[in-house]
Amino acid sequence: DIQMTQSPASLSASLGETVTIECLASEDIYDILAWYQQKPGKSPQLLIYDASSLHTGVPSRFSGSGSGTQYSLKINSLQPEDFASYYCQNGLSAPLTFGSGTKLEIK
Amino acid sequence: QVTLKESGPGILQPSQTLSLTCSFSGFSLSTYGMCVGWIRQSSGKGLEWLANIWWNDDKYYNPSLKNRLTISKDTSNNQAFLKITNMDTADTATYYCARRAGSWDYFDYWGQGVMVTVSS
Repeated sequence: DIQMTQSPASLSASLGETVTIECLASEDIYDILAWYQQKPGKSPQLLIYDASSLHTGVPSRFSGSGSGTQYSLKINSLQPEDFASYYCQNGLSAPLTFGSGTKLEIK
Repeated sequence: QVTLKESGPGILQPSQTLSLTCSFSGFSLSTYGMCVGWIRQSSGKGLEWLANIWWNDDKYYNPSLKNRLTISKDTSNNQAFLKITNMDTADTATYYCARRAGSWDYFDYWGQGVMVTVSS
């Protein structure tokens, strides 16, 4: 199985700040990686796929990058609605696996 | 508009079989390339992919639970199903169904989730 190691587990930031979340795959996943946002009591929502492609309707302040085993999600100019949990996901091979999540909180 | 909604028993006892239904609209599981998956989320294990079923009835399971899982579909009624046998307290979780996004195994639309508690 491909293990997805996400960091940090939690992050505190202020409105308007820029933050970066990292995801490390246990083997090369050839950019077949997704990022999801999840708010309390809600289902995950797809933000980014193929490591850097923005899903329909997702604000441009979200961006993804990386290759091989190392990937990151960057959020520019944090807005109130961005404070949530974020997960990466291996989409390359079964079993599909998720990172353990990063909880982004308001400072 | 794509929507999915899960339904299930809410609570069941250890060793019982869980039966979940995913009712969806806005797409058809008889369309070439379509796929629906089941994912669960517990406080202990985070997000865990369980199974996918494809338009052509191909099925893929998480090997860690494979012997306990059965995924199926009813194309005419726009439903997908998941059965998990021999439920344990460790299977307590919110269960989601979701539509596969496209070229790779991502999920672009998710149901609201159904909470399942296993307790004696």
